[in-house]
Amino acid sequence: AQSVTQLDSHVSVSEGTPVLLRCNYSSSYSPSLFWYVQHPNKGLQLLLKYTSAATLVKGINGFEAEFKKSETSFHLTKPSAHMSDAAEYFCVVSDPYKIIFGKGTRLHILP
Amino acid sequence: EPEVTQTPSHQVTQMGQEVILRCVPISNHLYFYWYRQILGQKVEFLVSFYNNEISEKSEIFDDQFSVERPDGSNFTLKIRSTKLEDSAMYFCASNQDRGGSDTEAFFGQGTRLTVV
Repeated sequence: AQSVTQLDSHVSVSEGTPVLLRCNYSSSYSPSLFWYVQHPNKGLQLLLKYTSAATLVKGINGFEAEFKKSETSFHLTKPSAHMSDAAEYFCVVSDPYKIIFGKGTRLHILP
Repeated sequence: EPEVTQTPSHQVTQMGQEVILRCVPISNHLYFYWYRQILGQKVEFLVSFYNNEISEKSEIFDDQFSVERPDGSNFTLKIRSTKLEDSAMYFCASNQDRGGSDTEAFFGQGTRLTVV
């Protein structure tokens, strides 16, 4: 069985400060891991994905995530938040049978 | 860049009516999925489809729902006798492989279904 846990339903940071969105997973297989972003009334946009090639993954808009197998984590970070980063972020795990979404973390950016 | 296309982008239907949501997956993909997101809630898995049959479905996917790949390009979700609680954003996705490393599911932009 596989599951995804996003540890925070809401995160608020000030513009220009670092962002950390936490995600833990469990899977019986070697999973693929992804972060998607959803802006209000928009579809799902892929931010980044983990492949077996590198544990530190760089994505679009300055985001990156580090795969830590020992901690079963795939936390999303960004050094400096921008107002346009305000959105819902989903951690996603994919194994051979299905794709499972976390419950999402809403990121608020304070001016 | 290849993309998954969903039509319509927004559909309004009366309670009790049947709706068909359409998706055109990426052409060389083999695995297809439908997901649902009720406003303000998480994205929920509905069903996966491979080789012209359902490979897995969630408890949400009851007899009210069906999927079909009527030709080589379309992948449809039919909802019979719609209920108010079926109002949601429905996402289609496709994947070249079943899953695992180095694969990525591509999502459409979604169809917003409003049942009135």
